[in-house]
Amino acid sequence: EIVMTQSPATLSVSPGERATLSCRASQSVRSNLAWYQQKPGQAPRLLIHDASTRATGVPDRFSASGSGTEFTLTISSLQSEDFAVYYCQQYNKWPPYTFGQGTKLEIK
Amino acid sequence: QVQLQESGPGLVKPSETLSLTCAVSGVSIRSYYWLWIRQAPGKGLEYIGYIYYSGSTSYHPSLNSRVTMSVDTSKNQVSLKLRSVTAADTAVYYCARERLTVGGMDVWGQGTTVRVSS
Repeated sequence: EIVMTQSPATLSVSPGERATLSCRASQSVRSNLAWYQQKPGQAPRLLIHDASTRATGVPDRFSASGSGTEFTLTISSLQSEDFAVYYCQQYNKWPPYTFGQGTKLEIK
Repeated sequence: QVQLQESGPGLVKPSETLSLTCAVSGVSIRSYYWLWIRQAPGKGLEYIGYIYYSGSTSYHPSLNSRVTMSVDTSKNQVSLKLRSVTAADTAVYYCARERLTVGGMDVWGQGTTVRVSS
């Protein structure tokens, strides 16, 4: 099973600033990585697939990069609605698909 | 508009079987993979498995002995059964869609909460 490790666990950032979230895989997942946003009481929302492709309707302030074992999600100018928990997920090797433990992005 | 709606009992007794259904509207289930994901209270996301309309399945190895997924193309719905549940199976259960050639789950149901308790 591929282990996905996200850092930091919690990130405190002020609105308007940039946030950078990291995700590391225990072995290469090539570019088979997705990022999700989850707000309290809601289902996750797909933001990024194939490591760097924004899903339909995702604002361009969200960008992502990486391949192999190291990945980054960047939110260029944080809006109030961006404060949430973010998960990475690999789909290179299954079963199972595996998720990181999440990064909580909170208002500073 | 594609919508997924999970349904099933909110309370299941230990050792019994959890049964959930995901009704899919707005798209044919033949064109995608359908996944079940769960989230224990205050925890992260856990993959349970997926099913294709043909009946092909893939389950999480740790749940493989207790899980069965099925598909009903006539009703455009997929189902999940999890046997011999314990309190550790208490979670919000989501169904989600994955496209055949692009990774990532792009449509999710709202989730249904299942509590295992006597």
